[in-house]
Amino acid sequence: EAGVTQFPSHSVIEKGQTVTLRCDPISGHDNLYWYRRVMGKEIKFLLHFVKESKQDESGMPNNRFLAERTGGTYSTLKVQPAELEDSGVYFCASSQGRALAMNTEAFFGQGTRLTVV
Amino acid sequence: DAKTTQPTSMDCAEGRAANLPCNHSTISGNEYVYWYRQIHSQGPQYIIHGLKNNETNEMASLIITEDRKSSTLILPHATLRDTAVYYCIAQARGGGNKLTFGTGTQLKVEL
Repeated sequence: EAGVTQFPSHSVIEKGQTVTLRCDPISGHDNLYWYRRVMGKEIKFLLHFVKESKQDESGMPNNRFLAERTGGTYSTLKVQPAELEDSGVYFCASSQGRALAMNTEAFFGQGTRLTVV
Repeated sequence: DAKTTQPTSMDCAEGRAANLPCNHSTISGNEYVYWYRQIHSQGPQYIIHGLKNNETNEMASLIITEDRKSSTLILPHATLRDTAVYYCIAQARGGGNKLTFGTGTQLKVEL
């Protein structure tokens, strides 16, 4: 069974440009999460989808970040325009079960390393 | 979610048991204790979780004290591949997987 896959694995863009990260969760997982680790900091939660709906987006840093999950399958995280402080590793995770009723394990992807220059 | 406290780093000889402590003295009754690890350049990996009882799976054992204020993750026979940062996370029941990662413990397994 395929795990959580993220694309691209690395991205280098210039400040002001737009970047779109993609995450394919494990098939059948309703819950999809985005996290990120910026340089020297801890891994931080960004947002949580249940199917196509945003359940919790309290961790999104600002309105330059837009996450979507059309059709409840894969998700994209767009950064527009990118700033230097957005550099870091962006992780996607998925889990099965009804997130608000169950505590289950989360499966993480390998991450996308974003470098803004 | 309750704050957790872990040692910054630990060393362990290959083949020996690695015992990683975690303090969560303010944990509430509905909070689970989760352990994840991150091997260099990979995404975090789930290890184990528990509420009150000790738990064991193919990767590790989790020992939770009776008062639930601390726990220990045990890797029974550590290998070089277990070198990673280990995170102890307190997560409320029904909180899904909105995980609060701290700084974790850097475990180094050596020959």
